[in-house]
Amino acid sequence: SQQGEEDPQALSIQEGENATMNCSYKTSINNLQWYRQNSGRGLVHLILIRSNEREKHSGRLRVTLDTSKKSSSLLITASRAADTASYFCATVPRGKLIFGQGTELSVKP
Amino acid sequence: DTEVTQTPKHLVMGMTNKKSLKCEQHMGHRAMYWYKQKAKKPPELMFVYSYEKLSINESVPSRFSPECPNSSLLNLHLHALQPEDSALYLCASSQPLLAQETQYFGPGTRLLVL
Repeated sequence: SQQGEEDPQALSIQEGENATMNCSYKTSINNLQWYRQNSGRGLVHLILIRSNEREKHSGRLRVTLDTSKKSSSLLITASRAADTASYFCATVPRGKLIFGQGTELSVKP
Repeated sequence: DTEVTQTPKHLVMGMTNKKSLKCEQHMGHRAMYWYKQKAKKPPELMFVYSYEKLSINESVPSRFSPECPNSSLLNLHLHALQPEDSALYLCASSQPLLAQETQYFGPGTRLLVL
């Protein structure tokens, strides 16, 4: 199975609300990355958190990492309709970027 | 320039056709990747080139043939594909170090095999 599993699979919220997505992984990591994909297009890198970091911020994004639980979360604050996309966590076991199943986020205006 | 370009954007081909997908980057990255993505699934790694040499082949069928002519270009040659090969094909690049760093993705080529 995939290295990363995410939940929820789908999330629908209103503009202005916060969105939280969770990712679990199986093996030890050097870093964990989050990517966004708009409707069948290329992926855009959002944030990278290293294994010795617990929390990282980038604009409206906040990522946490708990290596003891092998889990990470992505929080998008004050969501906008433009945040509607699929969000994937990714780890690098054995030198290959492996993606989780993804969360489909829908932000309604 | 932080862009990875891919051509064509869409491709329809028959099972007997030969076609090629092209990818280009000018960020000086020496690692380039091909991924395949089916609808509502995550991208799956197909090939990795590091310093223009094929370093990872994820047991991809031989009807897919990658080529890295130089450090900026990556091709994927397609021959005798099957309908189940229909998917979004994504190219990415990064600094080498075995994908530990951020990967930059192109917009993809949406392939339909009839």
